[in-house]
Amino acid sequence: DTAVSQTPKYLVTQMGNDKSIKCEQNLGHDTMYWYKQDSKKFLKIMFSYNNKELIINETVPNRFSPKSPDKAHLNLHINSLELGDSAVYFCASSRYQETQYFGPGTRLLVL
Amino acid sequence: AQSVTQPDIHITVSEGASLELRCNYSYGATPYLFWYVQSPGQGLQLLLKYFSGDTLVQGIKGFEAEFKRSQSSFNLRKPSVHWSDAAEYFCAVGGGGYNKLIFGAGTRLAVHP
Repeated sequence: DTAVSQTPKYLVTQMGNDKSIKCEQNLGHDTMYWYKQDSKKFLKIMFSYNNKELIINETVPNRFSPKSPDKAHLNLHINSLELGDSAVYFCASSRYQETQYFGPGTRLLVL
Repeated sequence: AQSVTQPDIHITVSEGASLELRCNYSYGATPYLFWYVQSPGQGLQLLLKYFSGDTLVQGIKGFEAEFKRSQSSFNLRKPSVHWSDAAEYFCAVGGGGYNKLIFGAGTRLAVHP
């Protein structure tokens, strides 16, 4: 069983489109995260939710909107996609303040 | 400001040789320290972590790391590298209220046969 899963694995889209990435964890964790890995492999946190409440909101364009319908799911919606949004987006989960476990990533390419 | 420095961008070793990947951190409080590994096209897998206690921690795949507070370092070691260890290695520091992870830029490890 996959602990942290993401869909889709690959996403190719045109500039200006709106897209969503979904994340689910079956570890019973109460905290979930979104990270962005750029073309130079640099990883940076974007958002975190604890018990469906937003607790980390880094300096991210407001075109990015996370949504957590329940503790096991965290989705990322991106409006008006730009070339610079091309990256790998990782979802992670943890018990509060404990070790984070990462999903396989979603590779987004904006053309 | 919190930061993590991995001084080596690329390292190449021969299979069977020993390995040490360097990590230095800057963090105001007692840090939680992690090493993750990313194989090509894959997600991040936790190798080991340090929260408190014994400063030499053992991880998966034969890796270990030593926390040295005086040097603000958390270097990763393996006595004998296997070809399958070729990957990107990330050091990270976390902790505090919301356990935000700050990652280093990564070290790409190549293994020669």
